Amino acid sequence: DQQVKQNSPSLSVQEGRISILNCDYTNSMFDYFLWYKKYPAEGPTFLISISSIKDKNEDGRFTVFLNKSAKHLSLHIVPSQPGDSAVYFCAASYSGGSNYKLTFGKGTLLTVNP
Amino acid sequence: NAGVMQNPRHLVRRRGQEARLRCSPMKGHSHVYWYRQLPEEGLKFMVYLQKENIIDESGMPKERFSAEFPKEGPSILRIQQVVRGDSAAYFCASNKGNYGYTFGSGTRLTVV
Repeated sequence: DQQVKQNSPSLSVQEGRISILNCDYTNSMFDYFLWYKKYPAEGPTFLISISSIKDKNEDGRFTVFLNKSAKHLSLHIVPSQPGDSAVYFCAASYSGGSNYKLTFGKGTLLTVNP
Repeated sequence: NAGVMQNPRHLVRRRGQEARLRCSPMKGHSHVYWYRQLPEEGLKFMVYLQKENIIDESGMPKERFSAEFPKEGPSILRIQQVVRGDSAAYFCASNKGNYGYTFGSGTRLTVV
């Protein structure tokens, strides 16, 4: 019963190009979405988030797009840099609860080649 | 200005032993979450605690696992009679009761 799905286990892009990471969810109660980045042997670090009242949120090189009707979100990184190479996790939550617990996807390993 | 501190970083236990994982939240954070990452999987919610209270333990296995966050000291995740399937990375996160999670670097438990 995977409520958050990242169907691409890995993605490889060239430095300077755009990286697009995708995420789908099945639970229509989810209304807040986050992206985390994780390096080996470290904990996840927060990248960017979006509420369901928006369809786009931008922070520097990172933009998250949300398509509620398709239950799909994507993270765009442009331009991609070698230091962006990491595992990216999509996470979702229901803000109507009070516990802020997150449901994570399995992650996508991004490799940015110099 | 330390972040979330987890120890030990690596823990090896034989089957049947107990594992104790510790988490000290960021200064000023009174909410603690434990997540588990099995190999090739995403992080899965286990338990949410505030000081001296378990708020949500819906992700905890029914047996052998327990968690606490005492008034003084770190949060402890305790696994009794470990089995090979408990081998995973266990991450603790803290916040002030919002989405501003800060994760620790995790404890990698290996059961041999």
